[in-house]
Amino acid sequence: SQTIHQWPATLVQPVGSPLSLECTVEGTSNPNLYWYRQAAGRGLQLLFYSVGIGQISSEVPQNLSASRPQDRQFILSSKKLLLSDSGFYLCAWSPVGPGDGYTFGSGTRLTVV
Amino acid sequence: GENVEQHPSTLSVQEGDSAVIKCTYSDSASNYFPWYKQELGKGPQLIIDIRSNVGEKKDQRIAVTLNKTAKHFSLHITETQPEDSAVYFCAASPPGTYKYIFGTGTRLKVLA
Repeated sequence: SQTIHQWPATLVQPVGSPLSLECTVEGTSNPNLYWYRQAAGRGLQLLFYSVGIGQISSEVPQNLSASRPQDRQFILSSKKLLLSDSGFYLCAWSPVGPGDGYTFGSGTRLTVV
Repeated sequence: GENVEQHPSTLSVQEGDSAVIKCTYSDSASNYFPWYKQELGKGPQLIIDIRSNVGEKKDQRIAVTLNKTAKHFSLHITETQPEDSAVYFCAASPPGTYKYIFGTGTRLKVLA
């Protein structure tokens, strides 16, 4: 069966520090991968998605970047965090092909102080 | 592009009553409509979905209905229990895209 791993679960970082969140998927090949952010009490904002190694689509221009160095690995990064980067970050995957179900990871709670 | 509206934003029901959450979408070509349940501090989990060639789907106490003409779909939870308390998100998937458009979420509280 397929599983998605996301870490760390919680993170407290000072303003101006770098960020690296990692997501890996097991049990499938060539998944579509997604990064979402959820502000406190708010909806799901798509940040990036990837349909293959090295292929990254950005939905919202901001202080973040994403990379997909391996087929089942998706990384969210920032060189310098802002207070506004605080939130709940969710990785998700779906099978190849549009319109198929997402499976979300357990999320990372990022607090920038 | 696709736009999904979800109502209500909060919903309180007594245990044992039914709960209904409604979503409308704008792109008539959207063909897949999942519903997610998010418990506090966790990632959303798929609870039920429906494709555009089906009008209704049921799974125990949960059902989803789709009206393609009116471009709206609804989640129905019967015999609600305290563990149904969570935030529920609807979504629509336009054809030929790799992403969902999510509604803004409904916070459901089931009062014991």
